[in-house]
Amino acid sequence: TQLLEQSPQFLSIQEGENLTVYCNSSSVFSSLQWYRQEPGEGPVLLVTVVTGGEVKKLKRLTFQFGDARKDSSLHITAAQPGDTGLYLCAGHSWKNTGNQFYFGTGTSLTVIP
Amino acid sequence: DSGVTQTPKHLITATGQRVTLRCSPRSGDLSVYWYQQSLDQGLQFLIQYYNGEERAKGNILERFSAQQFPDLHSELNLSSLELGDSALYFCASSVDPGTSSRNSPLHFGNGTRLTVT
Repeated sequence: TQLLEQSPQFLSIQEGENLTVYCNSSSVFSSLQWYRQEPGEGPVLLVTVVTGGEVKKLKRLTFQFGDARKDSSLHITAAQPGDTGLYLCAGHSWKNTGNQFYFGTGTSLTVIP
Repeated sequence: DSGVTQTPKHLITATGQRVTLRCSPRSGDLSVYWYQQSLDQGLQFLIQYYNGEERAKGNILERFSAQQFPDLHSELNLSSLELGDSALYFCASSVDPGTSSRNSPLHFGNGTRLTVT
C-alpha cells in the first residue's frame, strides 16, 4: 500500500522556469525527507523536515512541511539541467518495530537546456 | 559516496533460478533496509533488519528471504525467479539508535539491477 502520493509524476520544463512538486498523505509522520535519485545511482538525501509548518531552503530548493505533518512540497526556482532527476519524498514513523520509512511514488523531472 | 556497498551491480538470470544480492552497510549503521524499484511501482519496502534481527516486513514475497550477519552485512535471496522480478534492488542503512530518530536518514547503495529472462 502506497501511503504517499506525489504529483506530478512527470515534469519536463525549460531551464530557468520554476516548479513545485507535492507529496500528500492521509497519515501523520514524525518527519518527512526528500531524496533525489539520478540514473544508475541510489537516492540521496536532500533535506529532512520535522516540525509542522517548517520551511527549509537549500540554495534554489525550498521545502515545506504541512502544518498537520501529513504533506510536503518542494519548490525549485530557476531550474537548471543539473536538477534533472527523480525526486522522492519519504515519510518517517516510529513504531514498536523501529524507524520506518514510506516512500512516495516519485516525480521525474527533466530540465531542458 | 554513501558508504553503502551493493554487489553485484548487474545480474542477468533465467526464470526459475535463485540469486543472492549482497549489501555492506555504512560503518556504524545497525539497520539495513531492502527496497525494490520498478518502473511502474516506485520504491517498495521489502524488509528491514536491525543488529542481526528482522525488524519489519513490507511487500516481500514468500520466494524472497533475507538475513543480516554478525558483521552487519546483509543478503537478499530471491528464488524461483519470474519475469516480473526484474527490477532494481536497493539496500539502505541508517544509524537507527533504537528510539525514534527523526534525523536518522537512509543511506542508499547504488543498487543491483536484476534482469530475469
